Amino acid sequence: KAGVTQTPRYLIKTRGQQVTLSCSPISGHRSVSWYQQTPGQGLQFLFEYFSETQRNKGNFPGRFSGRQFSNSRSEMNVSTLELGDSALYLCASSLVAGRGAKNIQYFGAGTRLSVL
Amino acid sequence: SQQGEEDPQALSIQEGENATMNCSYKTSINNLQWYRQNSGRGLVHLILIRSNEREKHSGRLRVTLDTSKKSSSLLITASRAADTASYFCATAPSNAGGTSYGKLTFGQGTILTVHP
Repeated sequence: KAGVTQTPRYLIKTRGQQVTLSCSPISGHRSVSWYQQTPGQGLQFLFEYFSETQRNKGNFPGRFSGRQFSNSRSEMNVSTLELGDSALYLCASSLVAGRGAKNIQYFGAGTRLSVL
Repeated sequence: SQQGEEDPQALSIQEGENATMNCSYKTSINNLQWYRQNSGRGLVHLILIRSNEREKHSGRLRVTLDTSKKSSSLLITASRAADTASYFCATAPSNAGGTSYGKLTFGQGTILTVHP
């Protein structure tokens, strides 16, 4: 079974631009979570989608948004990029994510975004 | 914000030695998980321990959980050079409802270096 696939692997953008990152979960997984990883803040939860609905959201500004399609693939978008948005963005999929579930997450290799 | 702290921040040992990493967290949890990350890539799930368990084993890994102290430890026995990586603990909250969906809260991680 194929793992979680994130594209692109690397991105270089300039301040003020916007960017879209893509994530294809493991087949059969319906929950997709996104995380931002930086040296200073570590791994921080962005949001989670399940059945095309955002069920949970972290403490990030509205410039960060996402969506999920009917095939469970997910995208996240960052508008008006700032230098501080430079980070490794990780997507994770889970078979079941809800009350009482184990919530074991399977991560993609990430997209490294550099904002110049 | 991160759930808690990991200790030590960095650990350097020789092959064959044991490595112990500690993690503290702040809120009530459903379970605690350990993940490994190689050199800025995606995270790999290692082991999960539920809040009503005190110890769990998987191969060379041993995890303990003390919910009264809100702490956990990961022991890697007979370490190998291939174990060189960053190790993160992650907690899944116990509260029902929206804040638990798809969200893992990660510690800052321990960088483990195993010298051949």
